[in-house]
Amino acid sequence: DVKVTQSSRYLVKRTGEKVFLECVQDMDHENMFWYRQDPGLGLRLIYFSYDVKMKEKGDIPEGYSVSREKKERFSLILESASTNQTSMYLCATLRGGSGTGELFFGEGSRLTVL
Amino acid sequence: GNSVTQMEGPVTLSEEAFLTINCTYTATGYPSLFWYVQYPGEGLQLLLKATKADDKGSNKGFEATYRKETTSFHLEKGSVQVSDSAVYFCALSERQTSYDKVIFGPGTSLSVIP
Repeated sequence: DVKVTQSSRYLVKRTGEKVFLECVQDMDHENMFWYRQDPGLGLRLIYFSYDVKMKEKGDIPEGYSVSREKKERFSLILESASTNQTSMYLCATLRGGSGTGELFFGEGSRLTVL
Repeated sequence: GNSVTQMEGPVTLSEEAFLTINCTYTATGYPSLFWYVQYPGEGLQLLLKATKADDKGSNKGFEATYRKETTSFHLEKGSVQVSDSAVYFCALSERQTSYDKVIFGPGTSLSVIP
C-alpha cells in the first residue's frame, strides 16, 4: 500500500515565522500535490510537481513555495506565515498519469498561525 | 474551465436510510470521475471511480454511475450506517500535456444518527 507521511499533524506558529511542511511517499509516484482544506471551500490546490525539481502553481500559490529535490519528498514552505494561512494542509501523490489514477493522501497537517 | 458541483450539506440521516449525494461536472474533454471520503481526523481516501461514460463504480455498498448525457456522477447507498459519517468529495481528473489535473467539489458532510 502507498503511504504518504506528513511530518507534523499539528503546528502552532506566529505571524512572520517561516514554516516548513514536509511530505514523504514510499512509492515511486511522479506526481505530488499540496492542497489546503477550509470549511465551505473544499480542497484548493496550492502547488504540484510532476517530476523531481519540477513545480507548477495551482490555484492559490500566493504566499507559498515548494521544493522537490528528491522524488519521494515534497515540501511546502510558508516564507512568512500569516493568520489567513491557518488551515488544514493535505499532501497527495498520484498513481497513473493517464488521467485515470487515484490520489493518495496523507493525514493532514493542521496549522494555526497566531 | 472544468468544475465540479456538489449538493450543499450538511446531510443528516437516520441509520438504514437511503443516501444520495448529487454531483455534476463541466469538462472540455472526457474526464475520469471519483468519489473520495474523509473520515474524522483523517486524510481523504478513494471511495470509488469511473473512467468512462456508463461505467459504474462501487465500493462498501456505495455506487455511482458516470452519466455523460447529464454530466453527473451521483453517489448512492441503499442503507447507511453510523460508520458512514464523513465528508464526501466528488472529483474529476483529466490528462493535460504533462500532468493530471484533478478538480474537487466542495465536499458534502454526512452525519448518520442511530
